[in-house]
Amino acid sequence: EAGVTQSPTHLIKTRGQQATLRCSPISGHTSVYWYQQALGLGLQFLLWYDEGEERNRGNFPPRFSGRQFPNYSSELNVNALELEDSALYLCASSLVLAGGPTRTDTQYFGPGTRLTVL
Amino acid sequence: ELKVEQNPLFLSMQEGKNYTIYCNYSTTSDRLYWYRQDPGKSLESLFVLLSNGAVKQEGRLMASLDTKARLSTLHITAAVHDLSATYFCAVDTRGSNYKLTFGKGTLLTVNP
Repeated sequence: EAGVTQSPTHLIKTRGQQATLRCSPISGHTSVYWYQQALGLGLQFLLWYDEGEERNRGNFPPRFSGRQFPNYSSELNVNALELEDSALYLCASSLVLAGGPTRTDTQYFGPGTRLTVL
Repeated sequence: ELKVEQNPLFLSMQEGKNYTIYCNYSTTSDRLYWYRQDPGKSLESLFVLLSNGAVKQEGRLMASLDTKARLSTLHITAAVHDLSATYFCAVDTRGSNYKLTFGKGTLLTVNP
């Protein structure tokens, strides 16, 4: 079974430009999550999409946005890039099961996109 | 806001030794996850701990959860070089504000 895929692997942009990152979830998974892993800051939650809608977002400015398509793939857009946006951006996907104590919607991560802002 | 603290952040150990990584979290949560990350790679799911007293083992790694103490441990038995990696614990928040909050990670180096 194919895992979470992300493209591109690396992306180099200059300050002020826009970046678009893409993610395809594991087949059957409806939820997609985006995380930023910046040096010294650890893994920080960015966005959660499920069934095409944004369900939650982390403490990031509005220039970080995204969407989820009908096939559950997702895009992360970062506008007006700043130097501190340089990071590894990780996408994860999961099932979202009905309630109950044994639901296991473990998030499975993709290989990431390394964004460098010059 | 949920806070997750791991310690130690850096751990250098010899092959064959045992050690424990600790993960404390600040508010009630249903589930705790352990992930492994190799340099330049993505995160690999190791364990999901669902309830108080849960214990899971895979090879030389054993994870446990005490929800009353809000503490999880990842115990390494007889370390080998292949276990060198960064280990993250993560805790989720339920409901409409669902998200995973990660600890800062523990960089484990196992020396021959």
